[in-house]
Amino acid sequence: EPEVTQTPSHQVTQMGQEVILRCVPISNHLYFYWYRQILGQKVEFLVSFYNNEISEKSEIFDDQFSVERPDGSNFTLKIRSTKLEDSAMYFCASRETGFEQYFGPGTRLTVT
Amino acid sequence: AQKITQTQPGMFVQEKEAVTLDCTYDTSDPSYGLFWYKQPSSGEMIFLIYQGSYDQQNATEGRYSLNFQKARKSANLVISASQLGDSAMYFCAMREDSYTGANSKLTFGKGITLSVRP
Repeated sequence: EPEVTQTPSHQVTQMGQEVILRCVPISNHLYFYWYRQILGQKVEFLVSFYNNEISEKSEIFDDQFSVERPDGSNFTLKIRSTKLEDSAMYFCASRETGFEQYFGPGTRLTVT
Repeated sequence: AQKITQTQPGMFVQEKEAVTLDCTYDTSDPSYGLFWYKQPSSGEMIFLIYQGSYDQQNATEGRYSLNFQKARKSANLVISASQLGDSAMYFCAMREDSYTGANSKLTFGKGITLSVRP
């Protein structure tokens, strides 16, 4: 069964460093999302992406964040200058045209 | 106001018994969808069940069913015949369709921890 994959599974970085989180959505999916979950808290929406542009973004998704679909398969989230409060689990999700969003296994980002 | 409310702090159920996990929602959008996801300790988000606002019947998927009461704005998840592997965090989520259209995001509740006792 096709699945969303994310790399790395765990990333440790120092405050102020740039990180890129990578996702490979399911191949025929058209809609892509990033969510984050701070430890022990609820899952929060960051950004949605369709037709090579951002459809919607949350207040969390400020100028430090960017997304890109550099080729036909990868979908990346970049944080330019990480802060301690960016430490969280980051989930990528994708959707075809139906209702279900398929989530990847997540990348745990730890900022020290 | 919270869009998704999950107030049960933690639930315990005996193996093989049924359990209901509560979820209430708040929206003025006439078209919306309600979802339940399971998050085991390993961290991944597993889709369980979906209910559309215009669906006439309650959704069912194997041991999972959704008790959808539109007038009360509740979408409770019922797990029948609980198994040890059901121990996890369960999140209720909503997608509102009319405002941002088909690409709408999911809004999640805070989640409920379910522990299944042998």
